[in-house]
Amino acid sequence: ELKVEQNPLFLSMQEGKNYTIYCNYSTTSDRLYWYRQDPGKSLESLFVLLSNGAVKQEGRLMASLDTKARLSTLHITAAVHDLSATYFCAVDDKKSGGSNYKLTFGKGTLLTVNP
Amino acid sequence: NAGVTQTPKFQVLKTGQSMTLQCAQDMNHNSMYWYRQDPGMGLRLIYYSASEGTTDKGEVPNGYNVSRLNKREFSLRLESAAPSQTSVYFCATSYGLPAYEQYFGPGTRLTVT
Repeated sequence: ELKVEQNPLFLSMQEGKNYTIYCNYSTTSDRLYWYRQDPGKSLESLFVLLSNGAVKQEGRLMASLDTKARLSTLHITAAVHDLSATYFCAVDDKKSGGSNYKLTFGKGTLLTVNP
Repeated sequence: NAGVTQTPKFQVLKTGQSMTLQCAQDMNHNSMYWYRQDPGMGLRLIYYSASEGTTDKGEVPNGYNVSRLNKREFSLRLESAAPSQTSVYFCATSYGLPAYEQYFGPGTRLTVT
């Protein structure tokens, strides 16, 4: 059974600082997704990582994937208040078979950026 | 384009009542999913439909049934609601091809008393 672990689960940081959120998963996979959720809202796709060594960047966020280590990171550079949200990683479950895969989500990291 | 829509947005049920949550998409996606989100638990897959005419159980299917009515619509039914089903329910869709990013609806907040 695929397990996805994120850490930390809670992160309080100051504006202007850098930090990294980690996503570890338990079985072989080369497809990993990062989502953002604002309080009371739905999930918004941030990054799709489809191969070992994939790196994607959007503004102050950068995501990477190391399939050998079964690890993805979401790096935050010079945080601003607008980045406050919950961030989820999700990994596909290839055991589902066919061409349509299920995603297993981590529990999420609640990020609070303080002035 | 509306994307993924869900109805209702909010619902309060008494224990033992039944209801159906509706999900519709205009993205021409093949795959549709139902998740529940509980505090500290992330999202857990209830059921999914890889394509029209097929449905499969996810991680937490007990107490739920689904119907893939056509390519656009995927409904989730609670036959006899229980307080443990109090949650936020999200519908999601994807193409089902490589890079099958999922797109989420706005959610339904359900309370069972």
